[in-house]
Amino acid sequence: EDKVVQSPLSLVVHEGDTVTLNCSYEVTNFRSLLWYKQEKKAPTFLFMLTSSGIEKKSGRLSSILDKKELSSILNITATQTGDSAIYLCAVERGTYKYIFGTGTRLKVLA
Amino acid sequence: KAGVTQTPRYLIKTRGQQVTLSCSPISGHRSVSWYQQTPGQGLQFLFEYFSETQRNKGNFPGRFSGRQFSNSRSEMNVSTLELGDSALYLCASSPGGGAEAFFGQGTRLTVV
Repeated sequence: EDKVVQSPLSLVVHEGDTVTLNCSYEVTNFRSLLWYKQEKKAPTFLFMLTSSGIEKKSGRLSSILDKKELSSILNITATQTGDSAIYLCAVERGTYKYIFGTGTRLKVLA
Repeated sequence: KAGVTQTPRYLIKTRGQQVTLSCSPISGHRSVSWYQQTPGQGLQFLFEYFSETQRNKGNFPGRFSGRQFSNSRSEMNVSTLELGDSALYLCASSPGGGAEAFFGQGTRLTVV
């Protein structure tokens, strides 16, 4: 059965810390891996990864995919309270079908 | 540019009833996907529509159905509601079904 597992389930850090969120998957017919940030209700898109070893960056956030290890990490440096959210990982299985992990709940304390 | 609009925002129904949720995608987007989010299961894919055709569906019972209209607006219907159907239902739109989907604020359905 296809599955996407995220770890840790939750994390509490202080402003300025660096965090690493993990996503591992077992999905047939992998096409891409996506990261989303969900603050209240609507998740917002962060990254899409398709090629192994190529880092995607956006400001303090970066992500990389390891197809050999069937995993991805999302790094957030110099965390801010505004980074507090649930971070969702999703894998596109086949075409247009996305399997989501249950998310990592990040809380950044001032 | 208006975002993805879902209506209603909140809904309370009793077991056995049926419900219809609506999603208006971003103008120009032809793909609409639906998801169910619960604390225990996370976000689960229901189905995806493109140009009025369902292209893919998740592992949900036949009580969950959907459709898309020619203006790309989509509806999903849940019949014979069960307590376990209580969840946040999210829809997402994208131009062609690609990964950079934009989510609506969701409809919070409570079944009592």
